[in-house]
Amino acid sequence: EPEVTQTPSHQVTQMGQEVILRCVPISNHLYFYWYRQILGQKVEFLVSFYNNEISEKSEIFDDQFSVERPDGSNFTLKIRSTKLEDSAMYFCASRNRILEETQYFGPGTRLLVL
Amino acid sequence: LAKTTQPISMDSYEGQEVNITCSHNNIATNDYITWYQQFPSQGPRFIIQGYKTKVTNEVASLFIPADRKSSTLSLPRVSLSDTAVYYCLVGGTYKYIFGTGTRLKVLA
Repeated sequence: EPEVTQTPSHQVTQMGQEVILRCVPISNHLYFYWYRQILGQKVEFLVSFYNNEISEKSEIFDDQFSVERPDGSNFTLKIRSTKLEDSAMYFCASRNRILEETQYFGPGTRLLVL
Repeated sequence: LAKTTQPISMDSYEGQEVNITCSHNNIATNDYITWYQQFPSQGPRFIIQGYKTKVTNEVASLFIPADRKSSTLSLPRVSLSDTAVYYCLVGGTYKYIFGTGTRLKVLA
């Protein structure tokens, strides 16, 4: 069964450093999403991406964040200058077509900012 | 966007049926209701999705009343491995709001 994959599984970085989190969505999916989950809290929507542009973003997704689909398979989340409060689990999700609302989630990247 | 509310936690015994309700008073016409299961340090896993009335699959049922302001996930005969956090997700196409999550603990 096809699945969403994410790399790395864990990342430790110093405050102020840039990080890039990578996702490979399911191959025929058209809609892509990033979510984050701070330890012990609920999953929070960050951004959705369709047709090579951002469709929606939350208030969390400020200028420090960016997303990109650099080729036909990868979908990346970049945090330009990490803060301590960016420490969280980041999940990528993808969805097929507009009539099917089911998102499929990757296993997540655990980001720790020191 | 619809804000969702769920009970924080529930306990159940193995073999019992568990019903978890999600309230979403401001659900929009185009919003679907989806339930996910999450184990620690894993991504949410799809359980079931519906728009209105009742949906059933091999693992769960989803009941949605006519006004769609709430939904109930029903898990028949839970086992210890069903211990997890269950999220109600409401949204359509581009933006989705997770519920607060219900931590289900299944006891032997």
